[in-house]
Amino acid sequence: DAGVIQSPRHEVTEMGQEVTLRCKPISGHNSLFWYRQTMMRGLELLIYFNNNVPIDDSGMPEDRFSAKMPNASFSTLKIQPSEPRDSAVYFCASSRGELAGGPGETQYFGPGTRLLVL
Amino acid sequence: GENVEQHPSTLSVQEGDSAVIKCTYSDSASNYFPWYKQELGKGPQLIIDIRSNVGEKKDQRIAVTLNKTAKHFSLHITETQPEDSAVYFCAASMITGGFKTIFGAGTRLFVKA
Repeated sequence: DAGVIQSPRHEVTEMGQEVTLRCKPISGHNSLFWYRQTMMRGLELLIYFNNNVPIDDSGMPEDRFSAKMPNASFSTLKIQPSEPRDSAVYFCASSRGELAGGPGETQYFGPGTRLLVL
Repeated sequence: GENVEQHPSTLSVQEGDSAVIKCTYSDSASNYFPWYKQELGKGPQLIIDIRSNVGEKKDQRIAVTLNKTAKHFSLHITETQPEDSAVYFCAASMITGGFKTIFGAGTRLFVKA
């Protein structure tokens, strides 16, 4: 199993540019999560999908952020336009999701994308 | 909504000693409590978890306890080793049409050789 795959691993861009982060969840997982990690705010949940449908996007900072999951094996997080305060490590995680009334399942994290906006 | 508090934020122990990290949660509907270890430059990785129908779980040097009444859960690492040095996160999860997991702020553990 290749685990959760994220690309790029590092991104340096200038303020105002569009940034697109990509994630491939573990095959067979039906829940996908996007997190942002900073020293000041820790690990923040931005949005999560279940069966490709956005369930909760209340953590998305503002309209500059958008996320899509066109199919079960791919998701994107887009920032347009980017700002220096968006600099952080962005993680994607996936889980198997609901199993016949069972409790929440383990999330498996990708290696993250380190974003620097100048 | 759920809120998870984690203490301490930093913990330094001597190799061979035990380390304890404590968390509290606010929502009694939470029923799954994973612990993650994050090493430098990597994503968090699950090290142990506990479900609400269990009070304690152990895996070699790592154990987790859960007190549902008090809404407390703790991670215990015995015989610490330098490679245990990392950031540890507790989390609480509940079924809300998905698996929204709320993480604690993290504990940076230093194990001194």
